[in-house]
Amino acid sequence: QKEVEQDPGPLSVPEGAIVSLNCTYSNSAFQYFMWYRQYSRKGPELLMYTYSSGNKEDGRFTAQVDKSSKYISLFIRDSQPSDSATYLCATANSNSGYALNFGKGTSLLVTP
Amino acid sequence: GAVVSQHPSRVICKSGTSVKIECRSLDFQATTMFWYRQFPKQSLMLMATSNEGSKATYEQGVEKDKFLINHASLTLSTLTVTSAHPEDSSFYICSARFQGENIQYFGAGTRLSVL
Repeated sequence: QKEVEQDPGPLSVPEGAIVSLNCTYSNSAFQYFMWYRQYSRKGPELLMYTYSSGNKEDGRFTAQVDKSSKYISLFIRDSQPSDSATYLCATANSNSGYALNFGKGTSLLVTP
Repeated sequence: GAVVSQHPSRVICKSGTSVKIECRSLDFQATTMFWYRQFPKQSLMLMATSNEGSKATYEQGVEKDKFLINHASLTLSTLTVTSAHPEDSSFYICSARFQGENIQYFGAGTRLSVL
């Protein structure tokens, strides 16, 4: 079983919709949770970073971590065509040198 | 956020040649740099972790003699793909982490095509 599971999609939504992206993980030792956005043929760009459980909001983006169910989410409000990209969740812990464990990535398409 | 510069962005080479990819942290000193490989529509696969001044730690299944990593300074790491073959064609991405933060900042990636 992969340590981080993520539905690859593709997910297609109309402009203005609320987008919900999710990942599950298996290792309860993970302490750090991140969401990266990757445009085609580019490196990943950090969107959200969370330590332990809880919510974090930044503009139109909200990240949620539920360690009890090993579930992490990213919500995008008022989605825009420019949000079309692949979204990668990632986890890490200090015991493994903070190496990132990535999900497969979810491809999102926001249509005008 | 911190900036990581990766160069070149695109390489096309003949089979049997070696290719060097540079990864620089522009505005911070990176204690640790990571090298990833990504195939189309796949996630990033960690190849190796390098700490400045010490030998890289390679992930299982990654040939260290094939993928030479040098992290000679706190701002520069290089990946050399030696005697490249078509199966080495991929998207290679580096990232850097600086002491005191657990976040990795990524370069823009290098697309390698071996003919």
